[in-house]
Amino acid sequence: DTGVSQDPRHKITKRGQNVTFRCDPISEHNRLYWYRQTLGQGPEFLTYFQNEAQLEKSRLLSDRFSAERPKGSFSTLEIQRTEQGDSAMYLCASSLIGTTGELFFGEGSRLTVL
Amino acid sequence: RKEVEQDPGPFNVPEGATVAFNCTYSNSASQSFFWYRQDCRKEPKLLMSVYSSGNEDGRFTAQLNRASQYISLLIRDSKLSDSATYLCVVNGGGSYIPTFGRGTSLIVHP
Repeated sequence: DTGVSQDPRHKITKRGQNVTFRCDPISEHNRLYWYRQTLGQGPEFLTYFQNEAQLEKSRLLSDRFSAERPKGSFSTLEIQRTEQGDSAMYLCASSLIGTTGELFFGEGSRLTVL
Repeated sequence: RKEVEQDPGPFNVPEGATVAFNCTYSNSASQSFFWYRQDCRKEPKLLMSVYSSGNEDGRFTAQLNRASQYISLLIRDSKLSDSATYLCVVNGGGSYIPTFGRGTSLIVHP
């Protein structure tokens, strides 16, 4: 399967714990995005990478959130000291520069903070 | 004002009906426009890109009105399998960040 994969698919954690999500994009895609989606809302932009460089980060993103894409391939999104308001679906998507800009999404990582 | 606005619906229509969704965007410099489909508890998937001249793919027609800053999606002869959330996506205008609307829910009933 050469699509976007995310891990874990589901994570239940207690408030105050740290969690990390991983995304493996389509191999030749140079842009990688993280979005967050809650019920009844569209995906909300968090951050994006072009190759290994993090080019933009949403100003809504608190400093408890950090993302990396160390070698321009897979990416991780870490949330420190989780809060109940962090409960959401975290979606990763990738795209290829020079194309129409279509985003290819992974199946998402669903986070529940108790 | 949100960057991309959609009526959340739900639009509840019988099979065979024609239904249309609109989406407005605030950044006049936006360059790329898309409709994505999202099934319940699944990831969004591209339905179609929206071109300036309008485009059609089977029962689906998408149009762009730059002057009024809106895009539309028309679904003809609705099927039960069309039931989903339709997300409007706008890109460009000095950014490579695709911005999503909140989605419009469509329910097609027998």
